[in-house]
Amino acid sequence: NAGVTQTPKFQVLKTGQSMTLQCAQDMNHEYMSWYRQDPGMGLRLIHYSVGAGITDQGEVPNGYNVSRSTTEDFPLRLLSAAPSQTSVYFCASSYLFGQTKGYTEAFFGQGTRLTVV
Amino acid sequence: AQSVTQLGSHVSVSEGALVLLRCNYSSSVPPYLFWYVQYPNQGLQLLLKYTSAATLVKGINGFEAEFKKSETSFHLTKPSAHMSDAAEYFCAVRGSGGSYIPTFGRGTSLIVHP
Repeated sequence: NAGVTQTPKFQVLKTGQSMTLQCAQDMNHEYMSWYRQDPGMGLRLIHYSVGAGITDQGEVPNGYNVSRSTTEDFPLRLLSAAPSQTSVYFCASSYLFGQTKGYTEAFFGQGTRLTVV
Repeated sequence: AQSVTQLGSHVSVSEGALVLLRCNYSSSVPPYLFWYVQYPNQGLQLLLKYTSAATLVKGINGFEAEFKKSETSFHLTKPSAHMSDAAEYFCAVRGSGGSYIPTFGRGTSLIVHP
């Protein structure tokens, strides 16, 4: 069981370039999300999806796009990379459980370390 | 909106000493709380979760956390630190607005000295 798979693990971009970070999960989870991790800032939510075809913005969405055409995949697109987007990016998937479906447990990928020069 | 505050960006203990990592939450509804651990160059993995079934929650690797509503706290403890416990620890709360996406604290780096 692969869980959540992120590719690539490392990437260096030049300012202004675009790229897509890939995220795939094989657990049939309905929820998927993208976070960025910066020193001293914890994890900040970029975008999330509650199911195929449904996405929404998180805390820091500017400069990023997402789409969710299938349950398994949730790619994150950087439209025009900026040095401020240098970070470690984590994809997570989660599901609702419990009697009232009120609990979630997130499963994380290994991260993508992105440097924009 | 739900949020968590982790007190102390770094905690340093000696091997064998008590580990105490602090987390306070702010929530307008009964919170669902989590602790995650991140080892160097890895993703986050769940340590334990509070789902209102019991106030004292036991997790993996000997960690536990106690939910105290009167103090709005969910501190993480371990009686005896091991070198392998050195990692970044994150407290998280279930998101609001129906998304259920967790909101994370800023993290506490646990340093274990021999």
